Amino acid sequence: EVQLVESGGDLVQPGGSLRLSCAASGFIFSNYWMYWVRQPPGKGLVWVSRIKNDGSGTTYADSAKGRFTISRDNAKNTLYLQMSSLRAEDTAVYYCVRGREGAFDIWGQGTMVTVSS
Amino acid sequence: QSVLTQPPSASGTPGQGVTISCSGSSSNIGSNSVHWYQHLPGTAPKLLIYRDDRRPSGVPDRFSGSKSGTSASLAISGLRSEDEADYYCAAWDDSLSTWLFGGGTKLTVL
Repeated sequence: EVQLVESGGDLVQPGGSLRLSCAASGFIFSNYWMYWVRQPPGKGLVWVSRIKNDGSGTTYADSAKGRFTISRDNAKNTLYLQMSSLRAEDTAVYYCVRGREGAFDIWGQGTMVTVSS
Repeated sequence: QSVLTQPPSASGTPGQGVTISCSGSSSNIGSNSVHWYQHLPGTAPKLLIYRDDRRPSGVPDRFSGSKSGTSASLAISGLRSEDEADYYCAAWDDSLSTWLFGGGTKLTVL
């Protein structure tokens, strides 16, 4: 079964850091571009970041540039999102997503990040 | 306010059809594929339509997508209670170099 399982979400103070992980299974992880998409409470979906299948290229939304770093370990079938200088507006459910045919075809269940003092 | 504009809500009765629109511009919908997602709160979003009008395996043919110029539409026929969910369109924007989502449309099956 194709599956993505996120972990690492937590309550963190403003200015703090957090690393999210996403364990992939059921497919050849190294063949796919991967993404992070978030959903703030009561709001819609927002794209955060993207990484190519071999990790050679990354792209970020303006809101994430300079503060977030996406990475992957293809040997461990795991995607990461290192987040620093966190702000209240980063509070959201963070989804790990697989890319295929230009779309986001497989989504994880999400992990909640709350930034609050 | 999203760059891709969707109506905030839509509704229909069981068995009816409904269409959800997604309006963009030449830098996103006008030049790139549109994808549609179904999201029931508390669950993982699901890809419904990709590349404007293609259905992934397992998605019923009651769901169909279309695109014309800088607008796209998701049509759902034969509404069922389990179709009650939030629906999002998405497209890459060449000018902003970012993925865009519409604001989402909450579908209510009356």
